[in-house]
Amino acid sequence: AQSVTQLGSHVSVSEGALVLLRCNYSSSVPPYLFWYVQYPNQGLQLLLKYTSAATLVKGINGFEAEFKKSETSFHLTKPSAHMSDAAEYFCAVSDTGGFKTIFGAGTRLFVKA
Amino acid sequence: GAVVSQHPSWVICKSGTSVKIECRSLDFQATTMFWYRQFPKQSLMLMATSNEGSKATYEQGVEKDKFLINHASLTLSTLTVTSAHPEDSSFYICSATLAGQGSPLHFGNGTRLTVT
Repeated sequence: AQSVTQLGSHVSVSEGALVLLRCNYSSSVPPYLFWYVQYPNQGLQLLLKYTSAATLVKGINGFEAEFKKSETSFHLTKPSAHMSDAAEYFCAVSDTGGFKTIFGAGTRLFVKA
Repeated sequence: GAVVSQHPSWVICKSGTSVKIECRSLDFQATTMFWYRQFPKQSLMLMATSNEGSKATYEQGVEKDKFLINHASLTLSTLTVTSAHPEDSSFYICSATLAGQGSPLHFGNGTRLTVT
């Protein structure tokens, strides 16, 4: 069975500081991994995805994530936080055989001025 | 591309009534759509997988007679909450995916259901 663990339900950073949101996954097969962002009262928007190509994946809005198989991790980073980055972020895993996607519990990012 | 439209964005209904939520893929055909439920400050819980032309597959613990799903065309899936109760109040989100392994989900903007 697949699962996703996001470490830290809340992360607070200052504007301009590094953003690091942690995600660890469990999968018996090579996974597809995703990061989504959700703004209040909205659906989710894809930030980036890993599909077994390059281990460092670049996404929208300056975010990137690195797939580390040895650590079963897929942490999300952004060099410099912006106020508009404040949102809920979800890490997700999908298996290779179907479309079912499992979501982590989410991490709320706060950005302080 | 890959736009998913969900309607209504919010609805208030009385206990005992039924509410229908529509999910449309506007610029692509979605043979599979997914319905999620999200409680405040929590993650998404997959309720069911909706397949065009066949019965939906419900996740364990989800009452299929209460949450009726119909996927009559390649661009439309509907979720009907029957005989709604206050505990059904939640944020419901649909999503669809393009064919192919590893394709990401494309989400509607969600429906906030409040049952009074």
